[in-house]
This record gives sequence, structure tokens and C-alpha cells, in this order.
Amino acid sequence: GAGVSQTPSNKVTEKGKYVELRCDPISGHTALYWYRQSLGQGPEFLIYFQGTGAADDSGLPNDRFFAVRPEGSVSTLKIQRTERGDSAVYLCASRPRTGTYSGANVLTFGAGSRLTVL
Amino acid sequence: TQLLEQSPQFLSIQEGENLTVYCNSSSVFSSLQWYRQEPGEGPVLLVTVVTGGEVKKLKRLTFQFGDARKDSSLHITAAQPGDTGLYLCAGLHPGAGSYQLTFGKGTKLSVIP
Repeated sequence: GAGVSQTPSNKVTEKGKYVELRCDPISGHTALYWYRQSLGQGPEFLIYFQGTGAADDSGLPNDRFFAVRPEGSVSTLKIQRTERGDSAVYLCASRPRTGTYSGANVLTFGAGSRLTVL
Repeated sequence: TQLLEQSPQFLSIQEGENLTVYCNSSSVFSSLQWYRQEPGEGPVLLVTVVTGGEVKKLKRLTFQFGDARKDSSLHITAAQPGDTGLYLCAGLHPGAGSYQLTFGKGTKLSVIP
């Protein structure tokens, strides 16, 4: 697609429920990132995929958070047993293949999925 | 944790005024990026600075990377209402193979017509 698409745009859930957030990156982009932006804060890194594998998941806050990218394109962020502190905007970004060419280091962000845990 | 401190946190100015926002850290970054984010949207890249002392211009916006690559500034000349938004700086750590960016909290700019 022309841009990074994230669904749902808004999700309201109850504490303890399971949530899935989807990211459809720009076609052909091999790198995919998930960030979390809490109110009044900048985006915080969660996880990075290069192709199908999670190359860096050091930003995931705990084992309730998990992300997959089974075919190297669409990614799903999964949150188990949601807590009120998980409320935030979850941003997905994609980047072309690594290299020194112009545009190699340009992240394109989606509009985010706003998660509210009641 | 390598933090990026942005100042001021909030800025409200009249159309036509000039302004400067700052991004500071005690850590060295291999490159630094500036983004603008509007409500309900993701951040959009404005510029990347790589070399210490580098100055880049984008129309009325001037970006500078500190000589030691620890800080940066964004100067806007003759601000317009369309400049309103959240300005975020983000640094890339040396040797960060995953291209993991560290973001500041942002400066929320309001330009009043």
C-alpha cells in the first residue's frame, strides 16, 4: 500500500482481556517496528522485525506482550491480560531494506492504534 | 537509558514570530532525526543530521547538530499556523544495528493566527 496501515484505529477493552493490534507495512519494506506512545510522551521502542524474525525485542515491557510477523509483511502485536497502564497509542513503522542508498534509514509511521483499558 | 531532553515542553506563539526548540543529551548519537506529529497521526520525518556541526535547512526550518553530536536545535522563522504540532527529536545510538531510535518527549507548538 501507499502507507503504513494500522487497525483498529481505536480499541477500548476491559482490564484482563486479550487484544491484538495489526500493522500492514509499506509493500517491500523488510524492517518493521512497534513503538508505544503514552500520553505526553515520545514514542518508546518495543520490538523490531527484519523479515519474519524478531531481531530485537528488548523494548517489550513484560511477557504479556508478544508480536509476530509470520510472512515477513503484516505484523500483529498481542497483549494478554491487559492492564490500565497498557493504555497508549501503539505505533507501527516500516523501513526499506538496510543499505546506504537514499531513503534506507527513513522510518514511515502509521497513524497508530489507540488502546484504552478500562 | 540514554535520554533525550526536549525544551520547552510547550510553546505558544503568534504567527510571524521566530522560535527555537532544543534537544539535549549526555550521550553521543550517530545521527539525530526531527519529526513532526499532528493529533491522530504518526510522526513524520522532517530531517536527519549525521555530522557534528551540520546545519540543514528545510524552507523556514533550520536544523543544527551539535559539534559533539549530543544535542540539536530546530529554529523556525516566521512561524505559520500550519507549523502547529508536536516536534520530536530522535537519536540513533552508535552501533545500533536494529536502528532503534530513542525519542524525546517532544515540544508541543501552537502558532496562533
